[in-house]
Amino acid sequence: NAGVMQNPRHLVRRRGQEARLRCSPMKGHSHVYWYRQLPEEGLKFMVYLQKENIIDESGMPKERFSAEFPKEGPSILRIQQVVRGDSAAYFCASSPLRLLGYNEQFFGPGTRLTVL
Amino acid sequence: TQLLEQSPQFLSIQEGENLTVYCNSSSVFSSLQWYRQEPGEGPVLLVTVVTGGEVKKLKRLTFQFGDARKDSSLHITAAQPGDTGLYLCAGEGNAGGTSYGKLTFGQGTILTVHP
Repeated sequence: NAGVMQNPRHLVRRRGQEARLRCSPMKGHSHVYWYRQLPEEGLKFMVYLQKENIIDESGMPKERFSAEFPKEGPSILRIQQVVRGDSAAYFCASSPLRLLGYNEQFFGPGTRLTVL
Repeated sequence: TQLLEQSPQFLSIQEGENLTVYCNSSSVFSSLQWYRQEPGEGPVLLVTVVTGGEVKKLKRLTFQFGDARKDSSLHITAAQPGDTGLYLCAGEGNAGGTSYGKLTFGQGTILTVHP
């Protein structure tokens, strides 16, 4: 079974450019989550999506950041007009339907974004 | 806002010693997960605890969920150099609450086991 796939693994952007991070969940998983890990900080929740729906975006900055999980294809985290403070590791996680009543999340390898 | 306090932040021990990592909160969680993360990689799920008072064992690792589902511990017996890594606890909020679905992570414990 393939795990959660993220690409690219490393992304370098100059200030003002756009960054697109992709995440393919594990097979059979319909829930996707994005987390950010800043240098010397812990993992922070950004957004929770199901197919074609944003369930919770309370952790996402109001400006420049957006996320989608279309009916077909991977989930995309988009950062417009990147700034140096956006440099971080971005992790995607996925989980299956909550048949067990709780939520086990499986993480991808992450995308390391560096803004020059 | 739910918070998870994880301690200690750093732990450096000799091979063969035992250790315990703690995660504490004033909030109740519907489940709590422990992860291990290697440099440059994503967190790998070790275990999920759901029921208050639950104890789960994974070889030399023992995980416990507090009776009130507010705290958890990870105990490693006879640590080995291969146990070296970053250990993270993460709690999911209760159903109906604003934190439902998303994980709140502790700050992590960096464990180093010397041969």
